[in-house]
Amino acid sequence: NAGVMQNPRHLVRRRGQEARLRCSPMKGHSHVYWYRQLPEEGLKFMVYLQKENIIDESGMPKERFSAEFPKEGPSILRIQQVVRGDSAAYFCASSQQRTNEKLFFGSGTQLSVL
Amino acid sequence: DAKTTQPPSMDCAEGRAANLPCNHSTISGNEYVYWYRQIHSQGPQYIIHGLKNNETNEMASLIITEDRKSSTLILPHATLRDTAVYYCIASQGGSEKLVFGKGTKLTVNP
Repeated sequence: NAGVMQNPRHLVRRRGQEARLRCSPMKGHSHVYWYRQLPEEGLKFMVYLQKENIIDESGMPKERFSAEFPKEGPSILRIQQVVRGDSAAYFCASSQQRTNEKLFFGSGTQLSVL
Repeated sequence: DAKTTQPPSMDCAEGRAANLPCNHSTISGNEYVYWYRQIHSQGPQYIIHGLKNNETNEMASLIITEDRKSSTLILPHATLRDTAVYYCIASQGGSEKLVFGKGTKLTVNP
């Protein structure tokens, strides 16, 4: 049973480029969560999605960031016009249910903006 | 969600029990206590969670005080691979409400 798969593992972008981070949840999981971890800090919740729906995006920056979880395919976290402050580790997690359910995390994508 | 307080760092000798404390004095009756850990550069890993009763699984034991204002995560026989940052989280769920603080950096020494 494959775990949560994230790719790429490392992503380098220049300022102003777009970054696309992919997350395939565990088999049978329909709930996906994105977290961001800045250097030497804890994880910060960004967005929670179910298939084709954004449930909670209270942690998403208002501009340049978007997320989707289509009916088919992985969840995508998209960052437009990246800036150096976007450099961080981005983790995706999935769960089978929503309430009081443990999260399974992927290995993350380390985004570096030059 | 209730705020939790953890010591920033702890050390433990290999083979000994590691006892990681967590204070959550403002926890409400319907909030669970979750423990996760993050080994360097990896995604967090779920360890255990509980509401009122003590819990045990293959990884650890969770002891929650009767007033639920604090808890202790116990790793019975720590190994070098248990070196990680351990996060204690109080949440009434919806998994999106899990708020990770800075946790406790546990170092297991040979």
